[in-house]
Amino acid sequence: EVQLVESGGGLVQPGGSLRLSCAASGFTFSSYWMSWARQAPGKGLEWVANIRQDGNEKYYVDSVKGRFTISRDNAQNSLFLQMNSLRAEDTAVYYCARGRGDHWGQGTLVTVSS
Amino acid sequence: QSALTQPPSASGSPGQSVTISCTGTSSDVGGYNHVSWYQQHPGKAPKLMIYEVSKRPSGVPDRFSGSKSGNTASLTVSGLQADDEADYYCSSYAGSNNWVVFGGGTKLTVL
Repeated sequence: EVQLVESGGGLVQPGGSLRLSCAASGFTFSSYWMSWARQAPGKGLEWVANIRQDGNEKYYVDSVKGRFTISRDNAQNSLFLQMNSLRAEDTAVYYCARGRGDHWGQGTLVTVSS
Repeated sequence: QSALTQPPSASGSPGQSVTISCTGTSSDVGGYNHVSWYQQHPGKAPKLMIYEVSKRPSGVPDRFSGSKSGNTASLTVSGLQADDEADYYCSSYAGSNNWVVFGGGTKLTVL
């Protein structure tokens, strides 16, 4: 069974940093693109970043370019999202997703507020 | 503003059918057979209901069906049940970088 479990969310002040993690199991992690998506409170879904199987291609939505970094550790079956210079508008539930979204984690809430 | 356009709401009575539309462009919905539909209940993660326009993952009832014509994809839910009440999102491959774009979501109400 495919499982994706996010962690690392929490309350952070504007300008602060957080690192999200996603532990994957039940499939060959190194064979898949992996992605982060988010959902602001009461809003729709937004693709945030994705990363190729070997980690050598990474793409970001314009609003997070230069602030967020996606990475992965295939030996540990883990996906990460380093979020710097956080803004109030980054407040959302962040989901880890396999590929183009055939499996999703349960999400982790990031709240940016003073 | 979302990349794909969905109606904000839809409704139907138990047992009826309802269709939700998702309109994009030739650069996403119209250009590829990689449209997906997700069901999301409050406080829960999105659940894949349809992929590649009309395919159902294992475990999804055949009451859910998908189709596409030109730049518009559609999700039809037949034999509406109370548990179908949820938000539904469409998504499409956007042609490069393995990127995905979403619709704004449709709140389905079972009357």
